[in-house]
Amino acid sequence: DAGVIQSPRHEVTEMGQEVTLRCKPISGHDYLFWYRQTMMRGLELLIYFNNNVPIDDSGMPEDRFSAKMPNASFSTLKIQPSEPRDSAVYFCASSLTGVRGQPQHFGDGTRLSIL
Amino acid sequence: TQLLEQSPQFLSIQEGENLTVYCNSSSVFSSLQWYRQEPGEGPVLLVTVVTGGEVKKLKRLTFQFGDARKDSSLHITAAQPGDTGLYLCAGLNAGNNRKLIWGLGTSLAVNP
Repeated sequence: DAGVIQSPRHEVTEMGQEVTLRCKPISGHDYLFWYRQTMMRGLELLIYFNNNVPIDDSGMPEDRFSAKMPNASFSTLKIQPSEPRDSAVYFCASSLTGVRGQPQHFGDGTRLSIL
Repeated sequence: TQLLEQSPQFLSIQEGENLTVYCNSSSVFSSLQWYRQEPGEGPVLLVTVVTGGEVKKLKRLTFQFGDARKDSSLHITAAQPGDTGLYLCAGLNAGNNRKLIWGLGTSLAVNP
């Protein structure tokens, strides 16, 4: 079975450029999460969706970040304009509705470097 | 803000040794999950504990949820190089069963 698929795996770009990260969740999963991971702050939840609807975006650092989920099989996280402090590994995860404790299934991440 | 504190932050041991890592909070969680993350990959779920005092075993790994559901521990017996990785705990509070609260992790290196 295909897991969560993220692209690109690596992105290096210059400050001020627009960055778009992509995610395909596991088929049938109705929750999708975007995280950012750094050594200093660990895993931070940016936003999550349920049935393609954003539920909690309180973790989105500022207006430069936006996320969309146009359908059940695709989501994007966009940073515009990008800044060096946005450098991190960005993960997408998906999960099923259920009783507490449903596991989140993670992609392999996008390693983003802003120069 | 709910926090999960993990200790130790780093651990380097020899193959065959035993170890315990801890996950502590002042908040009560409805459940707690342990994940392992290897370099270049996303975290992978190892176990979920739900009931206070619960103990779960996964081969050489033993997970315990504290009686008050505020803390958890992971004990590894006879560690092997394949156990190397970042161990993350994540708690779910009763009010929101989707938003996990994450610890910073324990980075474990098992040397052959």
